[in-house]
Amino acid sequence: AQSVTQLGSHVSVSEGALVLLRCNYSSSVPPYLFWYVQYPNQGLQLLLKYTTGATLVKGINGFEAEFKKSETSFHLTKPSAHMSDAAEYFCAVIPNNAGNMLTFGGGTRLMVKP
Amino acid sequence: DAGITQSPRHKVTETGTPVTLRCHQTENHRYMYWYRQDPGHGLRLIHYSYGVKDTDKGEVSDGYSVSRSKTEDFLLTLESATSSQTSVYFCAISDPSVGNQPQHFGDGTRLSIL
Repeated sequence: AQSVTQLGSHVSVSEGALVLLRCNYSSSVPPYLFWYVQYPNQGLQLLLKYTTGATLVKGINGFEAEFKKSETSFHLTKPSAHMSDAAEYFCAVIPNNAGNMLTFGGGTRLMVKP
Repeated sequence: DAGITQSPRHKVTETGTPVTLRCHQTENHRYMYWYRQDPGHGLRLIHYSYGVKDTDKGEVSDGYSVSRSKTEDFLLTLESATSSQTSVYFCAISDPSVGNQPQHFGDGTRLSIL
């Protein structure tokens, strides 16, 4: 079965520092890959997605992620953290590019210190 | 914001009682989903619908049923609620014409079963 692993359930960075949230998946076939963000008491919002083509994907709010097939990874980065980036982030995959059903990772809560 | 409304937003009920959660969309999207969110598990798919009266099971469907009699409404029913179903429930929608993943989520229903 497909699985998604987010390393680190909590990540803390200082304002202005690099944000790196890790995501690895298990699949013999590259899946479609997604990052979502969830602010407190809200639903999820799609940050960015990778389906085919360029492996470096840019999303909203200055985030980007790079698909690395050899590492089965899709880490999320942002060069400079803002206080408003504090939220929970979820990596998700559609296994084998089939259907609409997402498999989510356990989430990473990002805290930004002033 | 995408037009997704979940009701109720909060509910407390007792073990053994029936509970119905409603998701209403104004986007005319074909696909609708019900997820539950629990700490450390991310979101897990309960059921989804690919059209009026067309539904299928997700990863954690035991104890839940769904119905979709109109494009805009997707109901999730717990026939006899148990404490293990205490969770936050999210509805999501998507349409194949713009991508094959849940694109918009509602703000969630916090359900507590005592």
